[in-house]
Amino acid sequence: RKEVEQDPGPFNVPEGATVAFNCTYSNSASQSFFWYRQDCRKEPKLLMSVYSSGNEDGRFTAQLNRASQYISLLIRDSKLSDSATYLCVVSPVWAGSYQLTFGKGTKLSVIP
Amino acid sequence: NAGVTQTPKFRVLKTGQSMTLLCAQDMNHEYMYWYRQDPGMGLRLIHYSVGEGTTAKGEVPDGYNVSRLKKQNFLLGLESAAPSQTSVYFCASRTSGGGDTQYFGPGTRLTVL
Repeated sequence: RKEVEQDPGPFNVPEGATVAFNCTYSNSASQSFFWYRQDCRKEPKLLMSVYSSGNEDGRFTAQLNRASQYISLLIRDSKLSDSATYLCVVSPVWAGSYQLTFGKGTKLSVIP
Repeated sequence: NAGVTQTPKFRVLKTGQSMTLLCAQDMNHEYMYWYRQDPGMGLRLIHYSVGEGTTAKGEVPDGYNVSRLKKQNFLLGLESAAPSQTSVYFCASRTSGGGDTQYFGPGTRLTVL
């Protein structure tokens, strides 16, 4: 089983739609979870951290289920500017390294 | 602050040539990373450093060397480039003081012919 798995998509949705991305991770020792966004031919940028209690940032909601080792990202009222690849990222956080493990990403295209 | 910068932005090499990619950060971050990103493969960690003078291997270190002589700089070297090293290379940095946000540079697009 791969460490971080995501549906590669693409997800093609109309403006205003709600879209959800899912991610599963294999390392139960993972402690930190994130969603990064990567625009075409650009570097990844942090979208939001994911907390156990779930968290929301405007139109974006992230959820974590540690028991199922599952992370989700919900985007409401999709905008054209949301078109990007969304990377699920986890960190086991062992001393000294703080490596992040990246999923391969889910591509989202928001269509007018 | 410029954040994380990478030099060069683009490069074309012939097989067997050598080159060095430079990453610089002005955020006083302890940790620095080199990744490569290939279609369908996602981001893969090549080498990383947890402080000046220290380096460690990541997931795909073969064919690459790194050095961290100064805290703000992290160099990635290709001694004898191969077509399999054609990729986009991203550098990243983060603070050691808690919080896991990695800040990425804009990337270097390398083609090896």
